Amino acid sequence: EAQVTQNPRYLITVTGKKLTVTCSQNMNHEYMSWYRQDPGLGLRQIYYSMNVEVTDKGDVPEGYKVSRKEKRNFPLILESPSPNQTSLYFCASSFVGGGSLLGHEQYFGPGTRLTVT
Amino acid sequence: DAKTTQPNSMESNEEEPVHLPCNHSTISGTDYIHWYRQLPSQGPEYVIHGLTSNVNNRMASLAIAEDRKSSTLILHRATLRDAAVYYCILIGGAQKLVFGQGTRLTINP
Repeated sequence: EAQVTQNPRYLITVTGKKLTVTCSQNMNHEYMSWYRQDPGLGLRQIYYSMNVEVTDKGDVPEGYKVSRKEKRNFPLILESPSPNQTSLYFCASSFVGGGSLLGHEQYFGPGTRLTVT
Repeated sequence: DAKTTQPNSMESNEEEPVHLPCNHSTISGTDYIHWYRQLPSQGPEYVIHGLTSNVNNRMASLAIAEDRKSSTLILHRATLRDAAVYYCILIGGAQKLVFGQGTRLTINP
């Protein structure tokens, strides 16, 4: 079954304790992306990757790191989490045609609910 | 990316058609119109997309105005499972989806 998986689904942590949220897709997609969703602010992009070893900042990258060493995986790293990073996080992936997302659907993972105290 | 405007909420009855409008008056010629929905406690889910012509798939239909300044997502026979927030998004080459507030659709049994 084609899918995007995220782990963990729920995480409660404390300020400053490094954490990694994993994302994996089994569709051989070039494009992967991380979003956060907050009440009243909607979904906002954190980072995206057009292919292996190619990553770029989205709208809200501060406090986050990513890496893309393999095509299927795109982990989100919070080196020193803070309470304002408490949010619902989604990973997504897509084919890229001609270097663009035009005309291609994005597949989203089930989400990771992170609480930083 | 150009902005879209959707009603905050809509309500319909089960087994009736639902027409969800979206205005995008500043759309450019190369912008694709995508629709996603987000069911409660789930990630967004692709529904349909189009460029100029009307489109149909197993989930819905997309009707695009001739001037492309508006579009309508049509659910032909709503079920309780269709209750979700529906997002109309324009993609014009930027490598991201810009989600607005969407339309919260309530389906009455």
